[in-house]
Amino acid sequence: EAQVTQNPRYLITVTGKKLTVTCSQNMNHEYMSWYRQDPGLGLRQIYYSMNVEVTDKGDVPEGYKVSRKEKRNFPLILESPSPNQTSLYFCASRGGQGVGEAFFGQGTRLTVV
Amino acid sequence: GQNIDQPTEMTATEGAIVQINCTYQTSGFNGLFWYQQHAGEAPTFLSYNVLDGLEEKGRFSSFLSRSKGYSYLLLKELQMKDSASYLCAVRDHQTGANNLFFGTGTRLTVIP
Repeated sequence: EAQVTQNPRYLITVTGKKLTVTCSQNMNHEYMSWYRQDPGLGLRQIYYSMNVEVTDKGDVPEGYKVSRKEKRNFPLILESPSPNQTSLYFCASRGGQGVGEAFFGQGTRLTVV
Repeated sequence: GQNIDQPTEMTATEGAIVQINCTYQTSGFNGLFWYQQHAGEAPTFLSYNVLDGLEEKGRFSSFLSRSKGYSYLLLKELQMKDSASYLCAVRDHQTGANNLFFGTGTRLTVIP
């Protein structure tokens, strides 16, 4: 079954404690991206990757890092989380050149206290 | 930059037809998508338009006018399970990445 898998689904952490949200897709897609979703603001892109070792900033990259060492995985790293990063996060992947619809992971609800 | 507008909330009756509008301004338009998102769940793909006109897919249809920067999603024979948020997203090729930019979503409530 074609899917994008994120882990964990829910996470409560404290300010400053580094965390990683994993994302993996089994569709051999080149393009992957991370979004955060906040009430009234919609989905905003954090980072995207057009292929292995190729990453770039989206609209709201501050406080986040990503890496793309393998085609299937695209982890999101928060080196020093802060309460304003409390949000619902989605990973998504798409076929070559970003053509076609995006497939989304189940989401990760992050709370930073 | 991108500017995508859609109504925040709509209410419609079971069995009826509802039209959700989306207007956009973008410099590198390369397609428009509609997604459905139930509360707390992932968005799922509904429809895609890149050329002007109507695309029909069962109870769902989507229309695009590129000259007007306008799209709508039409839902027919509404069912209770159609209560969800509907997201309009524009694909932009300006950076060469064909990134997707989303509107804030329209929360549709279907009432009996």
